[in-house]
Amino acid sequence: EPEVTQTPSHQVTQMGQEVILRCVPISNHLYFYWYRQILGQKVEFLVSFYNNEISEKSEIFDDQFSVERPDGSNFTLKIRSTKLEDSAMYFCASSEGARRTEAFFGQGTRLTVV
Amino acid sequence: GESVGLHLPTLSVQEGDNSIINCAYSNSASDYFIWYKQESGKGPQFIIDIRSNMDKRQGQRVTVLLNKTVKHLSLQIAATQPGDSAVYFCAVYALGGYQKVTFGIGTKLQVIP
Repeated sequence: EPEVTQTPSHQVTQMGQEVILRCVPISNHLYFYWYRQILGQKVEFLVSFYNNEISEKSEIFDDQFSVERPDGSNFTLKIRSTKLEDSAMYFCASSEGARRTEAFFGQGTRLTVV
Repeated sequence: GESVGLHLPTLSVQEGDNSIINCAYSNSASDYFIWYKQESGKGPQFIIDIRSNMDKRQGQRVTVLLNKTVKHLSLQIAATQPGDSAVYFCAVYALGGYQKVTFGIGTKLQVIP
């Protein structure tokens, strides 16, 4: 069964450092998303991406965040200068169409900022 | 503002019994109501959704009920199995200019063998 894969599974970084979280969406999917989940809290929408541009973003997705699809398979989330409060599980998701309810999620990358 | 909440943080159910997980929402403009399952160490997995113009939808061993009058959503799992142990999130999705999926906090379902 096709799946969304994310690397690394766990990333530890020092405050102020840049991190790039990587995702390989399902190959025939056209819509890509990033969500985050702070430990013990709700899953929160960050950004959606379609046709090589951001289609929507939340208030969490400020200038410190960026996304990119550098080639035909990868979808990345970059945090330029990490803060302690960026520590969370980051989930990538993809969907074939625009209907978000049918998005497939990756297993997540746990980001720990120290 | 938008809020989605769950009545119980943890639900323990005997194997073979039916489970009912409840959820309340606040935004009456929501178009889709969704249930996700999240197993330990994994991302959310879509279970079933229901559109706002319906009040019941059935899947394999699962039924979702929507009561728009009281803004309440429930997930019923028939003949609960150990593999059903997970955290279940309800979520809402509104079509239109801001198409984000808003998740609730989650209910942990523990199946007692």
